[in-house]
Amino acid sequence: ELKVEQNPLFLSMQEGKNYTIYCNYSTTSDRLYWYRQDPGKSLESLFVLLSNGAVKQEGRLMASLDTKARLSTLHITAAVHDLSATYFCAVVTGANSKLTFGKGITLSVRP
Amino acid sequence: EAQVTQNPRYLITVTGKKLTVTCSQNMNHEYMSWYRQDPGLGLRQIYYSMNVEVTDKGDVPEGYKVSRKEKRNFPLILESPSPNQTSLYFCASSLALGRGGYGYTFGSGTRLTVV
Repeated sequence: ELKVEQNPLFLSMQEGKNYTIYCNYSTTSDRLYWYRQDPGKSLESLFVLLSNGAVKQEGRLMASLDTKARLSTLHITAAVHDLSATYFCAVVTGANSKLTFGKGITLSVRP
Repeated sequence: EAQVTQNPRYLITVTGKKLTVTCSQNMNHEYMSWYRQDPGLGLRQIYYSMNVEVTDKGDVPEGYKVSRKEKRNFPLILESPSPNQTSLYFCASSLALGRGGYGYTFGSGTRLTVV
């Protein structure tokens, strides 16, 4: 059974500092997605990573994928309050292209 | 506007009273799915459909039914809701999940409370 683990589950960040969060998965996959969810809202797609070594950047967020290590990282540069949200990674596996989510990491940016 | 529309957004019901949560997408997507989100458990897949008349169980299908008679609609049916089905439900669709980088587009969610 595929396991997708995110850590830490909660991260309090100081404004202006850099942080990295992690997503590990337990089976072979070369397709990984990052989503953002604001409280009480739906999920918004952030990044799609399709191959080993893929790197995507949008604003202060940069995501990368290492399929050999089964690891994706989301790097936050100079955290700002607007980045406070819950971030999910999700991995596609299987013939039916099932999408399995991690439990999410809640980021909170403090002044 | 391309979107996934769920209704209702909020629903309070009583145990055992059948209900349907509707989901419709206007993007001609083949792949549709239902997830439930619970604190500490993340998102868990209930059912998915790869095309019209093709549906299959996800990780937590017990107590739920779905149908896919038309490409755009994928209703979630709770024949006899119970309090443990109190949750936030999301419908999602994809043109071709996993292929060509297509991910899911999510609906706004339905918060269901069963008392």
